[in-house]
Amino acid sequence: GQNIDQPTEMTATEGAIVQINCTYQTSGFNGLFWYQQHAGEAPTFLSYNVLDGLEEKGRFSSFLSRSKGYSYLLLKELQMKDSASYLCAVRDINTGGFKTIFGAGTRLFVKA
Amino acid sequence: ETGVTQTPRHLVMGMTNKKSLKCEQHLGHNAMYWYKQSAKKPLELMFVYSLEERVENNSVPSRFSPECPNSSHLFLHLHTLQPEDSALYLCASSHSQGSSYEQYFGPGTRLTVT
Repeated sequence: GQNIDQPTEMTATEGAIVQINCTYQTSGFNGLFWYQQHAGEAPTFLSYNVLDGLEEKGRFSSFLSRSKGYSYLLLKELQMKDSASYLCAVRDINTGGFKTIFGAGTRLFVKA
Repeated sequence: ETGVTQTPRHLVMGMTNKKSLKCEQHLGHNAMYWYKQSAKKPLELMFVYSLEERVENNSVPSRFSPECPNSSHLFLHLHTLQPEDSALYLCASSHSQGSSYEQYFGPGTRLTVT
């Protein structure tokens, strides 16, 4: 079957670094996404990993290990506006790669 | 603004009503998606259209009926819904070719079934 696990909530301090982990199980892995969703708003794309390793994009980095079914999102120099839910999602190669399975999201609270 | 619009933003309907949700994308994408988001649950993929053909129907009850008349527009027709169908319905679009297929989401329609 297909399953994605990520922590429900995390709290971190402004200016700090936080790592949000995601583990997944899928029969046809074809890429992993991270999305950010502020309360009451639509999810917005943050990063995409299909090969093992680290992808860096400004304050945000995402890591993938396909053999371990594991990814993390690293947020540096946290700002109050980073308080949001972070969704881990895995693309399935079936149906031409259109099927994306989402985790329940990790709600991040950034405190002053 | 992500280039994906949805109307209405809020909808309250009775179980015997018929209504439709509309989604429009201005990004030149040719794949469109409907998702359901309930409180504290993962986004659930409902339907996917690529080049106006349905490529994924994720065991969704027949009281939800999608329509994709062209690559820019997507509808979700609703009839005889149940209270448990109350949720945020999100539309998204993406390219259907290329490496990542990242999806761009609309703001959603908050649906309440009474």
